[in-house]
Amino acid sequence: AQSVTQLGSHVSVSEGALVLLRCNYSSSVPPYLFWYVQYPNQGLQLLLKYTSAATLVKGINGFEAEFKKSETSFHLTKPSAHMSDAAEYFCAVRKAAGNKLTFGGGTRVLVKP
Amino acid sequence: GAGVSQTPSNKVTEKGKYVELRCDPISGHTALYWYRQSLGQGPEFLIYFQGTGAADDSGLPNDRFFAVRPEGSVSTLKIQRTERGDSAVYLCASSLGGQVEETQYFGPGTRLLVL
Repeated sequence: AQSVTQLGSHVSVSEGALVLLRCNYSSSVPPYLFWYVQYPNQGLQLLLKYTSAATLVKGINGFEAEFKKSETSFHLTKPSAHMSDAAEYFCAVRKAAGNKLTFGGGTRVLVKP
Repeated sequence: GAGVSQTPSNKVTEKGKYVELRCDPISGHTALYWYRQSLGQGPEFLIYFQGTGAADDSGLPNDRFFAVRPEGSVSTLKIQRTERGDSAVYLCASSLGGQVEETQYFGPGTRLLVL
């Protein structure tokens, strides 16, 4: 079975600082990888996805993620945090042959002024 | 265009009661998914529809949970004899055709509280 691990359930960053959210997956084959953001009382919104094209994926709101097969990682970064980035972030994996998303436990980001 | 909508947004019920949760997918999307998100956790898959049929129901926790999509559009998740442990946010998502690389678009969820 696939699993997704997000290191750190809470991350606190200062406005303007680097945001780094870690995601590691376990899969016997390279999967499809996604990052979603969830603002309070809202549904999940796709930030970016990796579908076996370029390993460095750029998403919305200045976020990007790099697929590293050797490390089974798909960490999410943003060079400079903004107050509006305060939300919960979920990494998810999808098998090539399946359709369901398997999510990590989420990382809640707090941005300090 | 309109996104995925879910009704009701909140539902409070008593233990043992029956509840129905509704999902309206994006128009033209043939694939529809239900997930459950418990407090402090990531969403967990429940069931996936391709058209009218349930292509994968491996995530339904037990036979108290059932879902239908009779006309290949709106879906209803039905929970019988609710238990306090069923309290969670139930999320619905849809995608265009169910291809593995497609984006799943999520609704705002229905927050279910079983007293």
